[in-house]
This record gives sequence, C-alpha cells and structure tokens, in this order.
Amino acid sequence: NAGVTQTPKFRVLKTGQSMTLLCAQDMNHEYMYWYRQDPGMGLRLIHYSVGEGTTAKGEVPDGYNVSRLKKQNFLLGLESAAPSQTSVYFCASTLTAGTSTYEQYFGPGTRLTVT
Amino acid sequence: QQQVKQSPQSLIVQKGGISIINCAYENTAFDYFPWYQQFPGKGPALLIAIRPDVSEKKEGRFTISFNKSAKQFSLHIMDSQPGDSATYFCAASVAGGYNKLIFGAGTRLAVHP
Repeated sequence: NAGVTQTPKFRVLKTGQSMTLLCAQDMNHEYMYWYRQDPGMGLRLIHYSVGEGTTAKGEVPDGYNVSRLKKQNFLLGLESAAPSQTSVYFCASTLTAGTSTYEQYFGPGTRLTVT
Repeated sequence: QQQVKQSPQSLIVQKGGISIINCAYENTAFDYFPWYQQFPGKGPALLIAIRPDVSEKKEGRFTISFNKSAKQFSLHIMDSQPGDSATYFCAASVAGGYNKLIFGAGTRLAVHP
C-alpha cells in the first residue's frame, strides 16, 4: 500500500515552459487535492476533485489546470510557468462519507523551481 | 486574508518542556480543527484533530484545547522531545465543504536536548 505518490520529486523549469505533476493514490479515495506550500504561508489549496471527471478551483487556482480522468490519479498542469510558481507542491486525498470530515493523506511533495 | 492565524512562527523548547502553539479563526462555520506535523522533506501528516463539541482532546503527549467562544484552539506538547522537532500546522474545515482545509502559516518547533 503506497498511499499517495507524486512524480517527479524535483523539477527546474524555465519561464514559459510547461509541465505536468502526477499524483496517484491506491486507497480508493474519492476526494483529491493539490496544495502549494510557500514559506510563511502554510499550504494553500490550488484545485480539488470530488470524483472521477470532476474538478473545482481552490484558493489560488490561477496559472494551473487539473484533470481527474481516473479515480486514482490527479494531474496538475502548468501551461506557462512563471517564477511566482516556484514552490513545493503537495497532493492529498481523503475518504468521504456524506458530510463527515476525514483525515487527508499527503504525498511527499514536488519541489519546483522556475527560473 | 488569512482565515486561520497561527502563532508563534518559530519556537525553541528544552527537552522535557511544554510546547504551546496557538491558532485563531474567524469563520464560525468551521467544525473540524486538525493539527498536522511535517518533517523536513516530507508531506504533512495528521497528528490530532478536534471538533467543536468538546473543549479538549488528548492523545499521548499531544493535547488540543479548544475555546469556541474565543474562536481559538491550541496544541500542547508535553514532555517535548528532540524527535518532536518539526513544523506544525493548524487547519480548519467546514462540514459539507468537501473536506477543504484552510491552513495556518505554520510553526517551526525546535526541541533542544
């Protein structure tokens, strides 16, 4: 049981380049999330998904796109990277049942630098 | 606009001492308050969580105190150990809000031997 995995672990991009971050979970969780972590700002929600084929915007969605074609995978795309997108990106997933709140399980993160 | 305010930013405690981290919130619709622990190079992991129907929850050396009227909650680490050195985040979410978490800015704790 690998939990939540993220690829790649590190990446350096030049301004204007594009890339996709992959998140995979093997816990059959319905909900998945993408956060970014910046010093002094905690974690901020970028986009989230409440099921296969559905996505929604979070707190800081600008400059990012997401897709959830399969229940176990959640992709985060940067179409034209900017230095402001230099950050550590975390994926998370959670079980859900009605309106109850459950623990979010986080991946190990992807450290992205945009030069 | 930070919905969950966390303090202090950093904290140094001697081994065996008590570490206290505080959080305050404004949104009265929040009904789930977890604390996450993060070690360098790792993702956050749930440490302990509380709901507003209780004022305190204890798990081992970790205790959450919750004050609904003041809209504040805090994490107490008793008998702090060097292995507790990590960054701690408080968070909050709304029932029926798709489990979306609003995080505080984080507290970097260093426990000196």
